[in-house]
Amino acid sequence: AQSVTQLGSHVSVSEGALVLLRCNYSSSVPPYLFWYVQYPNQGLQLLLKYTTGATLVKGINGFEAEFKKSETSFHLTKPSAHMSDAAEYFCAVSGDYGGSQGNLIFGKGTKLSVKP
Amino acid sequence: ETGVTQTPRHLVMGMTNKKSLKCEQHLGHNAMYWYKQSAKKPLELMFVYSLEERVENNSVPSRFSPECPNSSHLFLHLHTLQPEDSALYLCASSLGQGSGNTIYFGEGSWLTVV
Repeated sequence: AQSVTQLGSHVSVSEGALVLLRCNYSSSVPPYLFWYVQYPNQGLQLLLKYTTGATLVKGINGFEAEFKKSETSFHLTKPSAHMSDAAEYFCAVSGDYGGSQGNLIFGKGTKLSVKP
Repeated sequence: ETGVTQTPRHLVMGMTNKKSLKCEQHLGHNAMYWYKQSAKKPLELMFVYSLEERVENNSVPSRFSPECPNSSHLFLHLHTLQPEDSALYLCASSLGQGSGNTIYFGEGSWLTVV
């Protein structure tokens, strides 16, 4: 079965500092990996996704993530945090399993706080 | 601005009430989903419709009843709910149901069962 583990339910950084949100996955098939962001009182917005090809994926708002198969990881980074980045971030995996194609399995989420 | 619109945004209902959540997508997609987001659990897939046919019912209690009259609309009918059903219900859609297809979410409907 596929699963996603996000290390750290809360991460706090200072404005201008590096953002690193960790995600590890488990999958018996080649995974498709996603990062979504949820701002307060809103739905989920896609930040970026990895399907095939280049392992370094660039997304919106300056975020990027690198797929590392050997480490089963898909960590999300941003070089310089902005106050507007404060939100909850979800890592998700999708793949063919049990006939339920295309469904996302989500991690528990990481809340990012940005200090002035 | 979102291509997936959910109404109402907030709903308070008693345990004996019957209510419905509505979702409409303006993206030309042909797959639609209901997810449940509660404080204590990760996002949970509830139902999947592909080409208006239900293809997934993820062990959801029968007090939740989905309806997909066409590829643009999805409903979640609610009756005799329990307080533990209070959560954010997210509708989503995608173009096709294949792995790797991006799923687009609405802003959610906050449900409180009293």
